[in-house]
Amino acid sequence: DGGITQSPKYLFRKEGQNVTLSCEQNLNHDAMYWYRQDPGQGLRLIYYSQIVNDFQKGDIAEGYSVSREKKESFPLTVTSAQKNPTAFYLCASSIGLAAPGPGYQETQYFGPGTRLLVL
Amino acid sequence: GEDVEQSLFLSVREGDSSVINCTYTDSSSTYLYWYKQEPGAGLQLLTYIFSNMDMKQDQRLTVLLNKKDKHLSLRIADTQTGDSAIYFCAENWSGSARQLTFGSGTQLTVLP
Repeated sequence: DGGITQSPKYLFRKEGQNVTLSCEQNLNHDAMYWYRQDPGQGLRLIYYSQIVNDFQKGDIAEGYSVSREKKESFPLTVTSAQKNPTAFYLCASSIGLAAPGPGYQETQYFGPGTRLLVL
Repeated sequence: GEDVEQSLFLSVREGDSSVINCTYTDSSSTYLYWYKQEPGAGLQLLTYIFSNMDMKQDQRLTVLLNKKDKHLSLRIADTQTGDSAIYFCAENWSGSARQLTFGSGTQLTVLP
């Protein structure tokens, strides 16, 4: 089955600790995204990557870091600098640079999410 | 910047139609999307509409787009209890590579 997986489903972070959320896709998509969801709010973009070894900051990148060493994987690290990390984190992917051209409809497909809680 | 707004809550009786509304500000949007989120889960794409269309129908779902007023709506016919979820509208801003701007989501509650 093709899709996006995220792990773990729940993650607990202690004060001053860095934690890493996993996101893997087997859809052969070039583009991958990380969003943060807080109750009663829409999704806010943390980072996105259009191709391996390249990524750009989204609207709320401070306190987060990412890497894109493989096409299939886009892990997100929540660093100790992120003072309010409790949230639901969603990873998504889309066809990206392989799209036929500008204006091509490009659905983002989402993983099941990771809920991060602070101890 | 771009902004997408939705009302936070909607309750309907089972069997009635639901209409979820969304307004957006970016007139250069190319595609507008509706996603569904069930509790504790990721987002599932329901449907999308190209900005040069007025309406799109897909089984129980009807999307209406008023580009002049920058208003998007999702109508769910014969709403069922399984339709209870949060519904997000999102716009794809043509000026930014593949970025979606999401509304805050509408919590639809279907009453028996």
